[in-house]
Amino acid sequence: QQQVKQSPQSLIVQKGGISIINCAYENTAFDYFPWYQQFPGKGPALLIAIRPDVSEKKEGRFTISFNKSAKQFSLHIMDSQPGDSATYFCAALHTGNQFYFGTGTSLTVIP
Amino acid sequence: KAGVTQTPRYLIKTRGQQVTLSCSPISGHRSVSWYQQTPGQGLQFLFEYFSETQRNKGNFPGRFSGRQFSNSRSEMNVSTLELGDSALYLCASSLQAHEQFFGPGTRLTVL
Repeated sequence: QQQVKQSPQSLIVQKGGISIINCAYENTAFDYFPWYQQFPGKGPALLIAIRPDVSEKKEGRFTISFNKSAKQFSLHIMDSQPGDSATYFCAALHTGNQFYFGTGTSLTVIP
Repeated sequence: KAGVTQTPRYLIKTRGQQVTLSCSPISGHRSVSWYQQTPGQGLQFLFEYFSETQRNKGNFPGRFSGRQFSNSRSEMNVSTLELGDSALYLCASSLQAHEQFFGPGTRLTVL
């Protein structure tokens, strides 16, 4: 059973456009929601994270929007650049337990 | 500060063999988690070790095992390899409960 569902599986965006990746979860005990970025041949790297008591968090061009009632959260990449082309994973954690990851979104930003 | 290192980076084994993968966490990090990454499945949690004790375990068969040493270095072992065990195995270390730092992974191919 997939604890965290991620969509879309792949995404193609023009340079300068907005990339949006969505995740949904079921377990209301989750209390930490990170996004990871992974380049080929590398391990995932933490990009940005949010806790459920906040509805939005912004770091540079990256924003997480969190909807607690809908049990959904999303990653927005503003002014997408070719260097943002990577695989993105959402995840959820119930502190003290294991992380659950989404299945990943392959983002391609076209110059 | 050196990052998480994993050895070997690539491994080719045949069905029925066993394999041991190694992970050296970031200095000072006492928690080490292991994940299996396959296309379409994302990251699947194997287990987490903290101070030489297994703290969490994912839903994998008993062929997958691990351990952690007093210097926080960790190993995972897979016995009686199956074709479906071909994957990228990632190790992540953390100082606090939430922020995980991933290594580059070990690419295991089972023939």
